Amino acid sequence: KQEVTQIPAALSVPEGENLVLNCSFTDSAIYNLQWFRQDPGKGLTSLLLIQSSQREQTSGRLNASLDKSSGRSTLYIAASQPGDSATYLCAVSGANFGNEKLTFGTGTRLTIIP
Amino acid sequence: DAGVIQSPRHEVTEMGQEVTLRCKPISGHDYLFWYRQTMMRGLELLIYFNNNVPIDDSGMPEDRFSAKMPNASFSTLKIQPSEPRDSAVYFCASSLTAGGNTEAFFGQGTRLTVV
Repeated sequence: KQEVTQIPAALSVPEGENLVLNCSFTDSAIYNLQWFRQDPGKGLTSLLLIQSSQREQTSGRLNASLDKSSGRSTLYIAASQPGDSATYLCAVSGANFGNEKLTFGTGTRLTIIP
Repeated sequence: DAGVIQSPRHEVTEMGQEVTLRCKPISGHDYLFWYRQTMMRGLELLIYFNNNVPIDDSGMPEDRFSAKMPNASFSTLKIQPSEPRDSAVYFCASSLTAGGNTEAFFGQGTRLTVV
């Protein structure tokens, strides 16, 4: 059974700093990995999707990397802003358990201090 | 497209009552998912459909839960009878399978409170 872990559970950093969020998964046979953002009381917004054949994806100040063999992904946020405050979730879909099913981590709650 | 649309946004009901949650996926998407989010267990997949057919319902907690997708633009999740432990946020998501790019799009969720 795939398990996805995100550490730390919560993170506070001053505005302007670069930061890294971590995601690890136990079964490396994944189809893709997706990073989401969730604001309080809201749904999930997809940030980046990395296919299993890719090493990284970039969107603006966000960069996500994937090391499938070691079961790890990182989300790098450059020049953090208060508007980046949210919970960030990673999710994997598995080649061995349905390409479309997502298994989620428990998330990292990020607070950017003005 | 307006995205995945869920209704109602909030639902408060008494224990024992029937609850029906609704979802309209993004037009053209062939997969639809129902998730439940709680503080204790995070996001859990309940059931998902492909082309209106249920593929995996192993996440449905009990027989009190049922889901249908009568057509490509509508799905329901029903709880009958509801219990306080069903209180959670229920999300619907849809995706279009195109190679490895199966990006999932989520609705705003339905916050269910059973008292």
